[in-house]
Amino acid sequence: AQSVTQLDSQVPVFEEAPVELRCNYSSSVSVYLFWYVQYPNQGLQLLLKYLSGSTLVKGINGFEAEFNKSQTSFHLRKPSVHISDTAEYFCAVSDRNGNKLVFGAGTILRVKS
Amino acid sequence: DTAVSQTPKYLVTQMGNDKSIKCEQNLGHDTMYWYKQDSKKFLKIMFSYNNKELIINETVPNRFSPKSPDKAHLNLHINSLELGDSAVYFCASSQEGRGNSPLHFGNGTRLTVT
Repeated sequence: AQSVTQLDSQVPVFEEAPVELRCNYSSSVSVYLFWYVQYPNQGLQLLLKYLSGSTLVKGINGFEAEFNKSQTSFHLRKPSVHISDTAEYFCAVSDRNGNKLVFGAGTILRVKS
Repeated sequence: DTAVSQTPKYLVTQMGNDKSIKCEQNLGHDTMYWYKQDSKKFLKIMFSYNNKELIINETVPNRFSPKSPDKAHLNLHINSLELGDSAVYFCASSQEGRGNSPLHFGNGTRLTVT
């Protein structure tokens, strides 16, 4: 079975500063990895995904993430955040044979002016 | 042109009642899901249907019964509601029921049991 650990429950950051949201996963098989964003009172939206190939994946809104197999990590980064990036971010993993997405506990990104 | 829509958005009810949440997707996806998000924002899968067939049934009390009349709809019926059922319930869909298909989520139904 897979599991996901998001190491920070909240990350405060000033506008235009860079940010990294950390995600580590555990799995005995090869996986697919995802980041979703949830704005207040809304459902989750896909930010980006890693399926195969290049370990650096780019998503919407200027976010990117890097898959590191040896460290079992999939950290999310943005070089310069905006107030509108304030939201909760969820890392998720599924195994390549299954159809069940397992989510981390979420990281609240608070962007301050 | 909402892709995954669920109703109602808010549901307040008393313990012991029976209630239903409806979900519809217009994306032509084969697989639909119900997820529960608790007060700590933790998301856990409850059910998954592929072409009207149940494929995932997590350890959910049998008071929860999903029904899929066709592949575009997945409704959730809950009997004898309990305080612990209070949560936000999300419907989602994906193109296929395999791990590489991203999920598309509805906006959630906030259920409050008093």
